[in-house]
Amino acid sequence: AQSVTQPDIHITVSEGASLELRCNYSYGATPYLFWYVQSPGQGLQLLLKYFSGDTLVQGIKGFEAEFKRSQSSFNLRKPSVHWSDAAEYFCAVGGTGGFKTIFGAGTRLFVKA
Amino acid sequence: GAVVSQHPSWVICKSGTSVKIECRSLDFQATTMFWYRQFPKQSLMLMATSNEGSKATYEQGVEKDKFLINHASLTLSTLTVTSAHPEDSSFYICSARMAPNTEAFFGQGTRLTVV
Repeated sequence: AQSVTQPDIHITVSEGASLELRCNYSYGATPYLFWYVQSPGQGLQLLLKYFSGDTLVQGIKGFEAEFKRSQSSFNLRKPSVHWSDAAEYFCAVGGTGGFKTIFGAGTRLFVKA
Repeated sequence: GAVVSQHPSWVICKSGTSVKIECRSLDFQATTMFWYRQFPKQSLMLMATSNEGSKATYEQGVEKDKFLINHASLTLSTLTVTSAHPEDSSFYICSARMAPNTEAFFGQGTRLTVV
């Protein structure tokens, strides 16, 4: 069965510091992987996605993620965090053949000045 | 990118009444739409998957008779919360997909409050 684990419920990072949010997945075939961001009371915004090809994926707002099949991971990174990045981040996994998209529990990012 | 619109953005209703939420794909035809529910400070939980012209597939634990889903056209799916109660208060989000193996696009969500 599909599953997504985001081990960190919340993370606090200083503005300007680097960021890495962890995501591990379980899926029986090649997964489609996504990172979304959600501000309070808002819908989801897609940051980036991996379907195939280059395992290092570039997204919007300076985010990137790397797909590591051997570790079943798809961690999100940003070299320098801005205060406006404070939000909830969700990792999600979907698959081929019309499989549904399953979300992780989310990681709340706090940015301190 | 493709746009998915939900209406209304927020709604307050009295306990015992029914509420309908619409999900529209504005610039593409969506063969499949998904409905999610999100409680405060929690993740999105998939409620059901609907394919145009057929009955929705509900996730385990989701009451079919309470959460009625209709996907009558390739651009519109509706979720009706019947006989709403305060515990149904939540953030409901839909997503729509053109075809299998493609990305699903999300609506902005609907905040339902039952009083």
